[in-house]
Formats: sequence, C-alpha cells, structure tokens
Amino acid sequence: DAKTTQPPSMDCAEGRAANLPCNHSTISGNEYVYWYRQIHSQGPQYIIHGLKNNETNEMASLIITEDRKSSTLILPHATLRDTAVYYCTLTPSGSARQLTFGSGTQLTVLP
Amino acid sequence: NAGVTQTPKFQVLKTGQSMTLQCAQDMNHEYMSWYRQDPGMGLRLIHYSVGAGITDQGEVPNGYNVSRSTTEDFPLRLLSAAPSQTSVYFCASSPGTGTLVPLHFGNGTRLTVT
Repeated sequence: DAKTTQPPSMDCAEGRAANLPCNHSTISGNEYVYWYRQIHSQGPQYIIHGLKNNETNEMASLIITEDRKSSTLILPHATLRDTAVYYCTLTPSGSARQLTFGSGTQLTVLP
Repeated sequence: NAGVTQTPKFQVLKTGQSMTLQCAQDMNHEYMSWYRQDPGMGLRLIHYSVGAGITDQGEVPNGYNVSRSTTEDFPLRLLSAAPSQTSVYFCASSPGTGTLVPLHFGNGTRLTVT
C-alpha cells in the first residue's frame, strides 16, 4: 500500500513557481510530511518537513491542507538545477525512523 | 566533515559471490539505514539501526545481513549475490529517531550481479 501518491512527472518554466502535489489521505495524526529530492541518481537531499502548519525555508515552502490529506511543495523560482525527482514521504513520531519512498515526481525545469 | 561515505561506488559480482557494502558517517548519528533503488522506482528500506548493537529489518531484508558494532559504521552484507540484487544501494543516517531531523544520504553504491 502506497502511503503517498504523486504525479509521475511535471514540467515547469525556468523562473516560474513549481508546485508539486502529494496526496496522503491515510496520514496518521502523528505523521510528519517530509520532502526530499534526488538529482542525477545522487543520494536524496532533504528539502523541508511539516506536521500541520505551513512551513518555509530557504529552499521551498510546504503547504499542508487543513485535513492533512494532501500537501504541496512550492519552489518559488525554479531554476534548471531544480530538475530532479521529488519524493513526498511520511515519518511517524515516537518510533524508529522508517521512511517509505514512493516513485516520486520527475520535475523538469525548462529554459 | 565528510558526512555519509559509501564504498565502493561501483561493483560487479558474479551470482553466488559475497561482498560487503561499506557505510561510514562522521556525524555521531544514532540512526543508520540501508535502502535499495531499482530503475524507475523509489527507495525501499532494507535494514536499519537505532544505535550500536541494535538492528532491525525493513521492507526488503531477504538476502542481506547487517551489524552495527560502532556508531560510525553500518556495513551491508550480501551472502550469496543474485541478479535480483542488481540495484543502487544508499546508506542514510540521522542524529536520532525523532521526526524533527532529516536523513543524510550517501551517494550510493551501484551493484551489478551477473
């Protein structure tokens, strides 16, 4: 059973905002939403995480719906270097970390 | 500060051979884990450890052994390699098992079993 669902691919014009959706309709109350990305088959890189409030850091913003059943990762001004596979994952609190990564979304930033 | 270091970067094995994939971190992280990634797929958890002397199975543990004798090292052993184990293997670590800290990944070992 996949705990998160993401579109397999998206395109975005350079300089525009990239909005990557993730559905997690069976999320538990103690599960955090984490986003990672993987560039050119390198190791995944952490981007951002949140529980129920919207979050922002130097890389991206995370918007979580009020019912927590979906979220959106926003890259405000996408660059060519943001071309990567983006993974949305869930991590439960209070237990050993056991991240499950689905297939992710291949984001291609176009010049 | 090297982070998470995986060796070797590439390896070719014949069916039935054994080998150990090395993973070391210099960040004094409690939590370490191994993932495999097959073409076009996400990462699947093989084994993980919440501290020295403690290991547990993940989603796809069959065919792999691990041990954690030190905080720094978490080797993954393939006892008898099979073509189905052809994959890219990633090691990851984290300061703890809580949810407020992310995983740090190595750059992978690309394994081919012929």
